[in-house]
Amino acid sequence: GQQLNQSPQSMFIQEGEDVSMNCTSSSIFNTWLWYKQDPGEGPVLLIALYKAGELTSNGRLTAQFGITRKDSFLNISASIPSDVGIYFCAGLGGGTGNQFYFGTGTSLTVIP
Amino acid sequence: GAGVSQSPSNKVTEKGKDVELRCDPISGHTALYWYRQSLGQGLEFLIYFQGNSAPDKSGLPSDRFSAERTGGSVSTLTIQRTQQEDSAVYLCASSLDVSWRETQYFGPGTRLLVL
Repeated sequence: GQQLNQSPQSMFIQEGEDVSMNCTSSSIFNTWLWYKQDPGEGPVLLIALYKAGELTSNGRLTAQFGITRKDSFLNISASIPSDVGIYFCAGLGGGTGNQFYFGTGTSLTVIP
Repeated sequence: GAGVSQSPSNKVTEKGKDVELRCDPISGHTALYWYRQSLGQGLEFLIYFQGNSAPDKSGLPSDRFSAERTGGSVSTLTIQRTQQEDSAVYLCASSLDVSWRETQYFGPGTRLLVL
């Protein structure tokens, strides 16, 4: 199935630093979602974006729905050790019907 | 309230055997989704149900894979004649309705290892 291009693949940062990751697709989506997955657990929804250009925050997390509807980014400010995990973007709607397509994931390591 | 539950949590099987994975969605959720996550890979969408019906089965990797949902609740994903490449974490999610505005809630997954 289709996958979204997510970058970077992995990040190693110092505690307190800001983090930025993005997701791009050749297809247009109506919704972009960002999930975090801890080892051995299912993904947990962080932020949902429903409108092109929308900028949404959830605590230290900020995500934006790209104007072209083909991309999205997620920023984490002032990272802390519990931010460690794998972050996935997901797109749906547009021409994909009710199917979700996920990014390849960004693995984040925070060094105390 | 209770979240999405999946069983078994882990399954080790021999190549060629059939396996059945179970998903209990959140009560009242009419939409149910199955995904596969291979080691170090992203999530691969397999199939979704609206009620008991699965309108699109094209995401299933091969004809060895089948899924059903009865009573609009529990769903089973069956893999026949398992192969080593079937080893993965199989995740189930449910949402109130099949709509791109509805949040999907994921279960903890079933870790399948085919020897």
